[in-house]
Amino acid sequence: DIQMTQSPSSVSASVGDRVTITCRASQDIDTWLAWYQQKAGKAPNLLIFAASTLQSGVPSRFSGSGSGTDFTLTISSLQPEDFATYYCQQASNFPFTFGQGTKVDIQ
Amino acid sequence: EVQLVESGGGLVHPGGSLRLSCTASGFTIDNYEMTWVRQAPGKGLECLSFISSNANTIKYADSVKGRFTISRDNARNSLYLQINSLRVADTAIYYCARHPSWVEAVDVWGHGTMVIVSS
Repeated sequence: DIQMTQSPSSVSASVGDRVTITCRASQDIDTWLAWYQQKAGKAPNLLIFAASTLQSGVPSRFSGSGSGTDFTLTISSLQPEDFATYYCQQASNFPFTFGQGTKVDIQ
Repeated sequence: EVQLVESGGGLVHPGGSLRLSCTASGFTIDNYEMTWVRQAPGKGLECLSFISSNANTIKYADSVKGRFTISRDNARNSLYLQINSLRVADTAIYYCARHPSWVEAVDVWGHGTMVIVSS
């Protein structure tokens, strides 16, 4: 199975901050990488697919980049509704493994 | 509204079985690949099984292979997961998820159904 490693595991930030989360794959996955946001008690929500394509309806402050093994999710200006846990997922090989998650909380 | 609604979860003893169902509304599943994903309490997400739109391709994670069976009934617009030989470690929220090939990500999630395995 492809291992996905996110960092950091948690980050404390303030409204307006720029937040960057990284995700590293254990092997080359080209751009088969998605990012999800999950709020407490809710199902995840797709933010970005194909490493950098913004899902319809997702605010433009979210962006993704990377290819191969190293990927980044950036929130350009953190909003109150962005405090949540974020997961990356590879879709190169089944099982489509997830990172362990990054919790973004209020500083 | 595009929606997935799971049912069939509950409390079961180790070694028991359950059949999870997922009914779609607002779209027809016959054009879509579908997956089941679970999340143990306080833990991350685990992709369990995948089924292609015509059911010709079915895949399982090693953790559930031989115990779980995914199926679909496109006429009923429904997806299923038969889970057998349940273990305490299978305790989790089970999500039904739409995984279109042109997105290669889960673009629609159900609300989840809770499975608790306990003696």
